[in-house]
Amino acid sequence: KNEVEQSPQNLTAQEGEFITINCSYSVGISALHWLQQHPGGGIVSLFMLSSGKKKHGRLIATINIQEKHSSLHITASHPRDSAVYICAVGFYGGSQGNLIFGKGTKLSVKP
Amino acid sequence: DGGITQSPKYLFRKEGQNVTLSCEQNLNHDAMYWYRQDPGQGLRLIYYSQIVNDFQKGDIAEGYSVSREKKESFPLTVTSAQKNPTAFYLCASIYRPGGGTEAFFGQGTRLTVV
Repeated sequence: KNEVEQSPQNLTAQEGEFITINCSYSVGISALHWLQQHPGGGIVSLFMLSSGKKKHGRLIATINIQEKHSSLHITASHPRDSAVYICAVGFYGGSQGNLIFGKGTKLSVKP
Repeated sequence: DGGITQSPKYLFRKEGQNVTLSCEQNLNHDAMYWYRQDPGQGLRLIYYSQIVNDFQKGDIAEGYSVSREKKESFPLTVTSAQKNPTAFYLCASIYRPGGGTEAFFGQGTRLTVV
C-alpha cells in the first residue's frame, strides 16, 4: 500500500522567510503533484514532477526518485502564500491510474 | 483552454435530500475520478471511471452514486444514505500519453448539509 507523508503538518513563518515542505512516499510512482488550497477555496495545481526540479516564480519543487522524497520551497514568502499545500502521488499500474494524497501542510505567513 | 470544471463551488442542502455535483472536462481524457476531503485528512477516492459507461467504486463509495454517459461528464450524486455528506469534493482526470502521465484537477465543491 502506498503511503504519502507530509511534514510539517503546520508551519508558521514570518514574511520573507524561505519555506520548505516535505513529502515522502513508500512505493514507486509515475508522477508527483503539488497542490495549493486556500481557506474556503478550491484546489490549484502547482507542479507535476516525475524527476528533477521545476520552478515557477517563487516556488520550486524537487523530487528524488531513489529516496522517494519531494520538497516544495517558497522563497521570499508572503502572507498571500498562506494556504494548505498538498502532495499527491500518481500511482499508475497497467490500464489504471489513481492518486494518493497526503494530509496537507497548513502554512501561515505572518506580515 | 482545456480543463476541468466543477460546479457549483459552494452548495448547501437540507438533510435527507440527494444532491448532484457536476464535473465536466474538455481534455478528451478517458479516466475521471471523485475524491472527498474531511478536515485533517487526505483526499480519499470515492469513485472512478476509466471509460464511458463504466465506473468502479473507490475506498469510500457507500452513500454515493455516479454515471458516465459521456466522456466529458462524470457527475457525483450524494444520496441521503451518506451519513456525513458535509465535505469538500474534488474531481480529477488522469491521462497517460505514450507512457507519460498527466493529472488535472477541478477547483472542488464544498458541500454543506444542514
